[in-house]
Amino acid sequence: NAGVTQTPKFQVLKTGQSMTLQCAQDMNHEYMSWYRQDPGMGLRLIHYSVGAGITDQGEVPNGYNVSRSTTEDFPLRLLSAAPSQTSVYFCASSDYGRQGADGYGYTFGSGTRLTVV
Amino acid sequence: QQQVKQSPQSLIVQKGGISIINCAYENTAFDYFPWYQQFPGKGPALLIAIRPDVSEKKEGRFTISFNKSAKQFSLHIMDSQPGDSATYFCAAVSSGNTPLVFGKGTRLSVIA
Repeated sequence: NAGVTQTPKFQVLKTGQSMTLQCAQDMNHEYMSWYRQDPGMGLRLIHYSVGAGITDQGEVPNGYNVSRSTTEDFPLRLLSAAPSQTSVYFCASSDYGRQGADGYGYTFGSGTRLTVV
Repeated sequence: QQQVKQSPQSLIVQKGGISIINCAYENTAFDYFPWYQQFPGKGPALLIAIRPDVSEKKEGRFTISFNKSAKQFSLHIMDSQPGDSATYFCAAVSSGNTPLVFGKGTRLSVIA
């Protein structure tokens, strides 16, 4: 089925460990982004990309790294995990206007629940 | 500075009642206003969206009302059902390659 696939669904890390959260979409969307969701804080943008080879920082980029080598994939790297990074992470993609009036609609993945101990 | 302010944080509505969630924005460059619905354990999903050239958009039991002069928009859920219990996010974006800005969400509970 077409959509956004995130792996893994659950992960427990020790403080200081590094890991990569994977995100892949098969809709040929140019725009991809990463959000974290914490209780009472809504969805906060970490990094985003408007196309292969182009990335930019969002609201809460510290401690995270991204790259976009292909249209399909947008991995999020935690360089040295901290307890403050315990959260649910969502990847989203969009056709950003090419579909007409609703082209800015995001398609979200099902999320990765990360716990840092 | 929060660009999209959403209220209330939580809402309890009787089955069959009307659920109303409000959002306000500051950036007059915003020209697309979607609402997302999120069930527990799932990612948000696009529910309905509006552009500022119309004052209202209706899809089934869901209606967006838009007041451009007041810079406010709201989601109305008519005949609310227990299956509507979810977290709802409003959002806004301006044309071009800029990210969506989300409100902080409203947790809706529809009780029988």
